[in-house]
Amino acid sequence: QSALTQPASVSGSPGQSITISCSGASSDVGGYDFVSWYQQHPGKAPKLMIYDVTQRPSGVSNRFSGSKSGNTASLTISGLQAEDEADYYCSSYTSSDTLVFGGGTKLTVL
Amino acid sequence: QVQLVESGGGVVQPGRSLRLSCAASGFTFSYYAMHWVRQAPGKGLEWVAVISYDGGDKYYADSVKGRFTISRDNSKNTLHVQMNSLRAEDTAVYYCARDGLGSGYYCDFWGQGTLVTVSP
Repeated sequence: QSALTQPASVSGSPGQSITISCSGASSDVGGYDFVSWYQQHPGKAPKLMIYDVTQRPSGVSNRFSGSKSGNTASLTISGLQAEDEADYYCSSYTSSDTLVFGGGTKLTVL
Repeated sequence: QVQLVESGGGVVQPGRSLRLSCAASGFTFSYYAMHWVRQAPGKGLEWVAVISYDGGDKYYADSVKGRFTISRDNSKNTLHVQMNSLRAEDTAVYYCARDGLGSGYYCDFWGQGTLVTVSP
């Protein structure tokens, strides 16, 4: 159950787009279309932003989108806004019927 | 609206036990699988365990297997995790989360968490 690999930090200016990657293996990210993404502001509980690779829950801005290629999933945030500054985590269903998270990425809006 | 409220956290000595609970409301609890996820201070999220909607299936992270037991009481809309043989590395905020009813796992609603500190 190794954690998925995410960059420790990314940054962008307001209005720009950024992409956060999430690398796994064929037993998790690559084997299933069950990748999800979470946003967490300091001191708050995580919030689901994307599920099943590309699906947005009701109420989540369409500025957030997800994709996957092989063993790597990605979260793209377009039209960056100050309130997007947060930690972002990917997760994936695994072949062991478990869930695995990435190490997290700190997004800074410059 | 969906509400998940964790309780039972606190300070406990290494090797001792603690039981966390999560009270659910605002949805039909017995329809949903439920997860525990933890976050050590200043660290990332770590998945702990999941239990199926009826309690028949349970899966654990390797780091807690054999020490933690997840359970549920659908008559009381409550999720539990019994944590035995606690270690310093179990210190974390523990969140309960509802599974999203998809074919794979994802957590669509989260509680606010309860802090567990394992210290002599």
